[in-house]
Amino acid sequence: GAVVSQHPSWVICKSGTSVKIECRSLDFQATTMFWYRQFPKQSLMLMATSNEGSKATYEQGVEKDKFLINHASLTLSTLTVTSAHPEDSSFYICSAGDSHYEQYFGPGTRLTVT
Amino acid sequence: AQTVTQSQPEMSVQEAETVTLSCTYDTSENNYYLFWYKQPPSRQMILVIRQEAYKQQNATENRFSVNFQKAAKSFSLKISDSQLGDTAMYFCAFMKNFGNEKLTFGTGTRLTIIP
Repeated sequence: GAVVSQHPSWVICKSGTSVKIECRSLDFQATTMFWYRQFPKQSLMLMATSNEGSKATYEQGVEKDKFLINHASLTLSTLTVTSAHPEDSSFYICSAGDSHYEQYFGPGTRLTVT
Repeated sequence: AQTVTQSQPEMSVQEAETVTLSCTYDTSENNYYLFWYKQPPSRQMILVIRQEAYKQQNATENRFSVNFQKAAKSFSLKISDSQLGDTAMYFCAFMKNFGNEKLTFGTGTRLTIIP
């Protein structure tokens, strides 16, 4: 099956710094990628939809200036958490669509802001 | 907007027994897809089964099957001969229409298989 990777798998950063998370589709071209956030023991909440070559579409309540998404190629999307604060600590998951009805999920990135 | 509801936050069942997880959804769409995803402790999301709304036949994948009731907007997951490896969070999800649409997830059911 299709494989999606995320890097890093976990990261610790200091408050006020920025951190970038990469999401790659390894064996298929993904015209659309999705970024989710998951708090402990909760469901996945969609943050934004990323389309290759265009601006991301953010869900209501998600700060687009804080969570910068770039989808520069058909295999790579990045999420940058700018000026991170402890409340941004969470588990971030990306998924990639293969233009059909299935999405493939990355393994997730655990972000801890100290 | 679509909503997905899972009314069972936690369930447990003895190994080898059968368990059914419930899911209801609300939508005004006629064409859509429904999914069950499994999230084990590793937190990797794994597709368990999917159902196309236009298909009347219930989807099955080995020990996993669904009961899809379109008029009632119900989509339950049955796990037969449950195994210890089935212990996980299970999320019901809805996708509108076709291709590169976002998934709307339910709140999840934590399933524990008891040896």
